[in-house]
Amino acid sequence: DTEVTQTPKHLVMGMTNKKSLKCEQHMGHRAMYWYKQKAKKPPELMFVYSYEKLSINESVPSRFSPECPNSSLLNLHLHALQPEDSALYLCASSQTIRSSYNEQFFGPGTRLTVL
Amino acid sequence: GESVGLHLPTLSVQEGDNSIINCAYSNSASDYFIWYKQESGKGPQFIIDIRSNMDKRQGQRVTVLLNKTVKHLSLQIAATQPGDSAVYFCADRIFNAGGTSYGKLTFGQGTILTVHP
Repeated sequence: DTEVTQTPKHLVMGMTNKKSLKCEQHMGHRAMYWYKQKAKKPPELMFVYSYEKLSINESVPSRFSPECPNSSLLNLHLHALQPEDSALYLCASSQTIRSSYNEQFFGPGTRLTVL
Repeated sequence: GESVGLHLPTLSVQEGDNSIINCAYSNSASDYFIWYKQESGKGPQFIIDIRSNMDKRQGQRVTVLLNKTVKHLSLQIAATQPGDSAVYFCADRIFNAGGTSYGKLTFGQGTILTVHP
């Protein structure tokens, strides 16, 4: 299994809602990532988890709260988002963060719209 | 700012031609480079990668060339097909001062490749 899955595929939420994005991989990878991608732009790193511990937080606003309950799962909890947070949210995984080749496998993304 | 950039934002080719997508990077500490293909509505898909101790790596129909002297990276696609139409991103990784990487990839702006039948 070389797949990263993400749910839901699409999400529409109001600014007062609380929602969560989910990501799962069964490749035995110990590094997992959240990226945000706006239209016609490259992915921008948000968070990196290594062995279920937060390794990098790219100064992301606290209305985004990541969680890594186990080595296969990664969540992104959303609360009080703004319309400008509307984007494609991508999850990725790699063997570790320190492997010589750091190929990151991406999921299909969750298309988020904040009204 | 980003350490990786692209020379051309769009590239149009005829089916069967070879395509070359270029990328420039600015940080000499970059040790690993990777090319992704992203089709509309999908996540980035790995194409090929290369470490800084190499200058060429080949895959199926693709070749990545690395010129560290001028900090330039290119992706060559042989016999381009309509299914190759997508946005192509290069990305790099930089080891920190302690010699370990935190796995952070920095992406370039992307090149839109359009293949005409």
